[in-house]
This record gives sequence, C-alpha cells and structure tokens, in this order.
Amino acid sequence: EPEVTQTPSHQVTQMGQEVILRCVPISNHLYFYWYRQILGQKVEFLVSFYNNEISEKSEIFDDQFSVERPDGSNFTLKIRSTKLEDSAMYFCASRADRGGPYEQYFGPGTRLTVT
Amino acid sequence: GQNIDQPTEMTATEGAIVQINCTYQTSGFNGLFWYQQHAGEAPTFLSYNVLDGLEEKGRFSSFLSRSKGYSYLLLKELQMKDSASYLCAVYSGANNLFFGTGTRLTVIP
Repeated sequence: EPEVTQTPSHQVTQMGQEVILRCVPISNHLYFYWYRQILGQKVEFLVSFYNNEISEKSEIFDDQFSVERPDGSNFTLKIRSTKLEDSAMYFCASRADRGGPYEQYFGPGTRLTVT
Repeated sequence: GQNIDQPTEMTATEGAIVQINCTYQTSGFNGLFWYQQHAGEAPTFLSYNVLDGLEEKGRFSSFLSRSKGYSYLLLKELQMKDSASYLCAVYSGANNLFFGTGTRLTVIP
C-alpha cells in the first residue's frame, strides 16, 4: 500500500540553525500539507501546497518557514532560523485530487528538537 | 474562528462499546474526520462524514449532525490495541484540517 515517507525521523539542531525536513508524498496525490504537533498538544496546520504553490498557510507559518517541491517526488519544509519553540513533531500529509476522497494520509513524522 | 471540543480522556473495558463525542464551531464545513493516533506515531484515518447520519466501517462507526455541530465515534468490541488518542478534525471550507485536542482512550482488561 502506498504511503507518505519522511526523513529524517529525528533531527536535533541548535537554536538559530536552518533545518530542512523532507517528505515524499503518495505518488498520485496532488495536495500536500505540513502539520506540527508540540508534545502533548493538538495537531496544528502549517501550510498546504497545490499546483506548485502555497494554497493556504496558518499564522504559525511565518517568514521563517518555506516549502518547496524541488522535483516530482519530494516536498520539503525549511525553517531558516530555528527557535526553541519550534521543537515539535512535524507531519507531512497528502491527498488525492479535488474530486476524489478527501482523507489526508500522514507520514510517520520528523521529531525536531531545538537546543 | 475554529473551535473543536472533545473529552480529554476516557477509559473503557475490553469487549465493550465506547462513544467519543466531538462538538465543533467552524466558519465553514466541508466534512468531519476521525483519526487514530498512537503515542509517538502519525494520525491514521478512520472515518469521514460529510452528510448527516451514520457511517459504519467494521468495528468503527461515526455519526454527524451538522445542525448541532456534533459528531461521535463509536468503537465496538474494544480491543487492547484500541488504546490510543482519537482526533476529531474538520475541513472548514479551506483546504486543510483543523484538529481537536484529541481524546485519550485507555482500554482496560
């Protein structure tokens, strides 16, 4: 069964450093998402991406964040200058075409620890 | 704004039935989802309601009343492996999901 994959599974970085989190969505999906979940808290929407551009972003997704689809398979989230409060689990998700089922399929997540 | 409420914790006995409620107030509505999340893992899709009524998928059923802003997830024949958090999430009309804080279900023998 196709699945969303994410790398790395765990990333430790120092405050102020740049990190890139990588995702490979399910191959025939067209909508891509990043969510985060701070330990013990709810899953929060960051950004959605469709047709090679951001379709929506939340208040959390400020100028420190960016997304990119550098090729036909990868979808990345970059945090330019990490802060302690960026420590969280970051989930990538994807879903099929607009007319298809709406369920989003989540990757296993990248645990980001900022020290 | 978006507001989704669920009980924080529930406990139920193996083999029993449990109902997890969710109420929502959102600026738009395009469907309600239930996800299961084991500790340290990704949410996995359980069910989806866009119209009022009951959707059944094996041991899991989900109900929606749009006029009341209310949904529930019903789990039958509980198993120990069902111990997890259950997340209610709404498509508010935009292209993303708003999640509740989740209900941590503990199944006891």
